[in-house]
Amino acid sequence: QSALTQPRSVSGSPGQSVTISCTGTSSDVGDYNYVSWYQQHPGKAPKLMIYDVSKRPSGVPDRFSGSKSGNTASLTISGLQAEDETDYYCCSYAGSYTWVFGGGTKLTVL
Amino acid sequence: EVQLVESGGGLVQPGGSLRLSCAASGFTFSDYWMHWVRQAPGKGLVWVSRINSDGSSTSYADFVKGRFTISRDNAKNTLYLQMNSLRAEDTAVYYCARDRFYTQDYWGQGTLVTVSS
Repeated sequence: QSALTQPRSVSGSPGQSVTISCTGTSSDVGDYNYVSWYQQHPGKAPKLMIYDVSKRPSGVPDRFSGSKSGNTASLTISGLQAEDETDYYCCSYAGSYTWVFGGGTKLTVL
Repeated sequence: EVQLVESGGGLVQPGGSLRLSCAASGFTFSDYWMHWVRQAPGKGLVWVSRINSDGSSTSYADFVKGRFTISRDNAKNTLYLQMNSLRAEDTAVYYCARDRFYTQDYWGQGTLVTVSS
């Protein structure tokens, strides 16, 4: 149950696009399409932004998109806005009714 | 509106016990699996445990197996986490979250557990 690997930080200017990677193994990300992404502002509960690799819950802007290739999932945020600056976490089902999260990525909007 | 409200956190000595509760409303609690996820101060999210809709099946992260027990009372719309043999490294905000098809879709605001002498 090792954590998924995310970059500690990424940055981009307003209006640009950024991509956050999430690397796991063939036992989690690579084996299941149950990858989700969460946005967490300081002191707040995580908010679901992407589920099932690429699906967006109602109310999440279409600037947020997800994808997966092999053992690596990605979250892309296009048209960066100041309000997007916060922490992002990926999560994958890992089989046997267990889940694993990534270590988190801090997004800075320059 | 889905609401999850955790309670029961606090300061406990190493080796002690604590029971967390999560009161659910705004959805049919008995239809959903539920999770506990924790976050140590300044650290990332870590999955802790899951329970199925009727409580007959549970699963745990290796680091809590044998020490923590997840349970639920569907008549009271409440999820629980019994934590025994607590260690300093269990210090964290504990969140309950609803499961929708293997995704934690709604989260509570969390309750802080501090293990310290």
